[in-house]
Amino acid sequence: GAVVSQHPSWVICKSGTSVKIECRSLDFQATTMFWYRQFPKQSLMLMATSNEGSKATYEQGVEKDKFLINHASLTLSTLTVTSAHPEDSSFYICSASSGNKNIQYFGAGTRLSVL
Amino acid sequence: GENVEQHPSTLSVQEGDSAVIKCTYSDSASNYFPWYKQELGKGPQLIIDIRSNVGEKKDQRIAVTLNKTAKHFSLHITETQPEDSAVYFCAASGGGDSSYKLIFGSGTRLLVRP
Repeated sequence: GAVVSQHPSWVICKSGTSVKIECRSLDFQATTMFWYRQFPKQSLMLMATSNEGSKATYEQGVEKDKFLINHASLTLSTLTVTSAHPEDSSFYICSASSGNKNIQYFGAGTRLSVL
Repeated sequence: GENVEQHPSTLSVQEGDSAVIKCTYSDSASNYFPWYKQELGKGPQLIIDIRSNVGEKKDQRIAVTLNKTAKHFSLHITETQPEDSAVYFCAASGGGDSSYKLIFGSGTRLLVRP
């Protein structure tokens, strides 16, 4: 149980284009989903928290207009990196939790490379 | 806000030996402490967690201890195997206004030598 699927696992895009990453909870309803960014050999940094049906809450320093988050259903959240630039290249990881928000189950991550 | 420190940053052990990773946290209101294992190119996998009403929890070769007074918790892996090699992260949550957020430690790269 508690499986979180993230797609795609790897994406390469040109500078200036937008990329969408999907995060799905396969066997439970995720009332809350989280989006993290991880640079090489570093820890996970929370970007934003999204609750189903409401606007995402962004961490300080994260541009909400650049990282668009949608959580339209209890099993799906999407992160869109708009007008991507090389400095946006990173490992993006989502997590999902159900009733107990403390317990988070993570997806396999998406490696984004912006040329 | 909460701050989690993790040590050591790297740990190399011989197969069969034990490995211990330690974390300290700053917010005494934190009440949930999970440990994650992350293999190269993959997302973190929850391996064990402990809540503040418990001092120790064990699952086969893995155990976690919590000292609320000292505000530190540790991961113990016994009889290590090469497949235990990975990066391990501790985290804490439950304190302050954002009680559900996980605050991660900086990670420990564990290498188990065959």
